[in-house]
Amino acid sequence: AQTVTQSQPEMSVQEAETVTLSCTYDTSESDYYLFWYKQPPSRQMILVIRQEAYKQQNATENRFSVNFQKAAKSFSLKISDSQLGDAAMYFCAYRRQSGTYKYIFGTGTRLKVLA
Amino acid sequence: GAVVSQHPSWVICKSGTSVKIECRSLDFQATTMFWYRQFPKQSLMLMATSNEGSKATYEQGVEKDKFLINHASLTLSTLTVTSAHPEDSSFYICSAKAGLGGNIQYFGAGTRLSVL
Repeated sequence: AQTVTQSQPEMSVQEAETVTLSCTYDTSESDYYLFWYKQPPSRQMILVIRQEAYKQQNATENRFSVNFQKAAKSFSLKISDSQLGDAAMYFCAYRRQSGTYKYIFGTGTRLKVLA
Repeated sequence: GAVVSQHPSWVICKSGTSVKIECRSLDFQATTMFWYRQFPKQSLMLMATSNEGSKATYEQGVEKDKFLINHASLTLSTLTVTSAHPEDSSFYICSAKAGLGGNIQYFGAGTRLSVL
């Protein structure tokens, strides 16, 4: 069975600085998708970034980028130029490419942004 | 991006009553919808997967008769918590996947259920 692990329950970053959130996963599949979702205090889940496993190039969305290491089964999220609005819970998620469409979520990392 | 509407956002009910939560995809057809439960400061726990026109697939440990799911159209899924008890109090979130090729789940804003 696939598992997703986020080993950092809480992280803090100074405004305008860079922070990296860690995520590791376990799977025997070769094709799959990985996601980072943000859940602010409103509790609305917002897609931050996604990565297809077959792509070697790391995904980037403005200030957000990932370091995808397929062999190491690692998928970290880097937030550059952190802003107060980035404060939220961040969840890493895994989904198989075929068959069931369900996500497997990690336990989350709470990010605090210090002014 | 795709919009998923969830209603109500907060409901308070008496123990023993039933509560229905609606999840609508507003600008796309959702062949598959998901229902999650989230306890305070915890991750999302998948309860069930529903496909339009067929019975929902429940995760292990989730009571089918307690949590009734109906996905009658490509834009609407409902979760009914039957004979609610205080232990059913939680935050319920739905999500929807667009079409056959979609790999992204779009989430509703969630429903806070408080059972007195």
